[in-house]
Amino acid sequence: QKEVEQDPGPLSVPEGAIVSLNCTYSNSAFQYFMWYRQYSRKGPELLMYTYSSGNKEDGRFTAQVDKSSKYISLFIRDSQPSDSATYLCATLSGNTGKLIFGQGTTLQVKP
Amino acid sequence: DAGVIQSPRHEVTEMGQEVTLRCKPISGHNSLFWYRQTMMRGLELLIYFNNNVPIDDSGMPEDRFSAKMPNASFSTLKIQPSEPRDSAVYFCASSNRGGGETQYFGPGTRLLVL
Repeated sequence: QKEVEQDPGPLSVPEGAIVSLNCTYSNSAFQYFMWYRQYSRKGPELLMYTYSSGNKEDGRFTAQVDKSSKYISLFIRDSQPSDSATYLCATLSGNTGKLIFGQGTTLQVKP
Repeated sequence: DAGVIQSPRHEVTEMGQEVTLRCKPISGHNSLFWYRQTMMRGLELLIYFNNNVPIDDSGMPEDRFSAKMPNASFSTLKIQPSEPRDSAVYFCASSNRGGGETQYFGPGTRLLVL
């Protein structure tokens, strides 16, 4: 079993839809969770960063962590064609600075 | 800041040849990471350095792969001899441990081994 599991999709939605992207993780000791966005033929870039459980909101993006079920989510409101990208969840392994990434979910927002 | 710089951006080579990928991390960052990304396996950490010292190379697939960081502003990932299954996008990332765990990725090197 991978330490971080993510459905690779692809996921296709119409412009303006609410998008829900999800990951599960196996190690209850994980505390830091990130979402990276990767545009085609580019490197990943950090989108959201959360610690422990709870929600964090940044504009149209909301990151949610449920430690009881080891479930992390990214919600995108009023999705735009410019949101079309691959979204990777990641968690920090201990205090090593090492990130463990999910497979990535490819999202397409159609105008 | 120019961000993480990688070269070359694209590399096409024949099986058996040596391949050297280069990375210049963001100035002031003390951690450097090498990743490989494929459709099948996603983004995999190969090796990472902290203050120029290799900390964890457990992701290096085999002895054909080696990485060095001779100073704080330069790192190389070498594959010798290369094989078709090494074809992937190789990313370098850097971060400033103690200043947050955000890793900043370079644009990647697309490697095709024929």
